[in-house]
Amino acid sequence: NAGVTQTPKFRVLKTGQSMTLLCAQDMNHEYMYWYRQDPGMGLRLIHYSVGEGTTAKGEVPDGYNVSRLKKQNFLLGLESAAPSQTSVYFCASSGVTGGIGNQPQHFGDGTRLSIL
Amino acid sequence: AQSVTQLDSHVSVSEGTPVLLRCNYSSSYSPSLFWYVQHPNKGLQLLLKYTSAATLVKGINGFEAEFKKSETSFHLTKPSAHMSDAAEYFCVVSIYTGFQKLVFGTGTRLLVSP
Repeated sequence: NAGVTQTPKFRVLKTGQSMTLLCAQDMNHEYMYWYRQDPGMGLRLIHYSVGEGTTAKGEVPDGYNVSRLKKQNFLLGLESAAPSQTSVYFCASSGVTGGIGNQPQHFGDGTRLSIL
Repeated sequence: AQSVTQLDSHVSVSEGTPVLLRCNYSSSYSPSLFWYVQHPNKGLQLLLKYTSAATLVKGINGFEAEFKKSETSFHLTKPSAHMSDAAEYFCVVSIYTGFQKLVFGTGTRLLVSP
């Protein structure tokens, strides 16, 4: 009963390095999301996807790219990491049955990323 | 515009006493509202949701919340706190604008003392 799985759980990068965060869900959900969580700011949406092959920008997309080549996977990339991207990143997914606005999002356990 | 205000950044209770976490929302539409809990180094777990059915919503682990449209509130309560309830709680409003947008409150940290 995995739900939403994020890898890696922790990572330390140097400024300018690149990396990809992987999110996988096994609930056959159409919608997937990437958030970042910073102290005192709740969660902010980076990018989202409404289905396989589609992506769109959220509130804070700058410096990030995403891809959704398979329905169950949603990748978040940092091309050139900056210290301002030090954060905890959460992936979430949701279904459409019963109304999109009514469906809760299911979250992974997060990736803790530090940029030095 | 939609927004959520959690009125307390920290709430401290003793084990066995009631819990009240306050949330006010602003929404142009009839909202869907959620409460999530986040334990240390974990993701967000859904406690309960309101989607315009019953105004008193029961969730997991003995939590419940009451939707009051006249007060634009969605406060979370529990009759008797347990040590395991110590965590951060987020009130969230959900709106659909071509996709499901979640607007998060800034969170309330619940501290439970023995």
